[in-house]
Amino acid sequence: KAGVTQTPRYLIKTRGQQVTLSCSPISGHRSVSWYQQTPGQGLQFLFEYFSETQRNKGNFPGRFSGRQFSNSRSEMNVSTLELGDSALYLCASSLRPDLLGRGYTFGSGTRLTVV
Amino acid sequence: EDQVTQSPEALRLQEGESSSLNCSYTVSGLRGLFWYRQDPGKGPEFLFTLYSAGEEKEKERLKATLTKKESFLHITAPKPEDSATYLCAVQAPQAGTALIFGKGTTLSVSS
Repeated sequence: KAGVTQTPRYLIKTRGQQVTLSCSPISGHRSVSWYQQTPGQGLQFLFEYFSETQRNKGNFPGRFSGRQFSNSRSEMNVSTLELGDSALYLCASSLRPDLLGRGYTFGSGTRLTVV
Repeated sequence: EDQVTQSPEALRLQEGESSSLNCSYTVSGLRGLFWYRQDPGKGPEFLFTLYSAGEEKEKERLKATLTKKESFLHITAPKPEDSATYLCAVQAPQAGTALIFGKGTTLSVSS
């Protein structure tokens, strides 16, 4: 059974550019969440999508956006990149948002470096 | 404000030396507390979910317990392969389905 796939694994961008990250959830999982992980702040929730609708959003500026497609794949976009956006971006999938039993299954993340 | 605090930040153990990691939380209406393991360069891997005070879960050398204010992850006779960062997270009504994470405890087990 394939896990959560995130592409690309590594990315280097310049300040001011924009970036799009991709996440393919486990087959059959319809809920996708995004988290940002930095050494200083740890993991912080960005947003969650279910059935192509954003159901929940964390406390991040509007430069961070996302979407989900009909096949449950999700993308997140960061515009006007800042140095502080350098982080590991993690995607997690679950069958439904309300299922707590096994938490989420995380991908290996995309390491974004902004220079 | 919902908060999760993990201690210690780092822990070094000898193989076979048992210990505990702590996760304290201030959350109104806890819906669930999660433990994850994260290896370098990888995403967190699910270990346990605890729902109510007094609940315990076990898996191999790991045992998680929950009280009304904190959770413990007990590691019995650890091996070098248990070396990783252990993350605690909670889910609370105010945050919807989002997980609120602590900053983790990095465990190093030497042979």
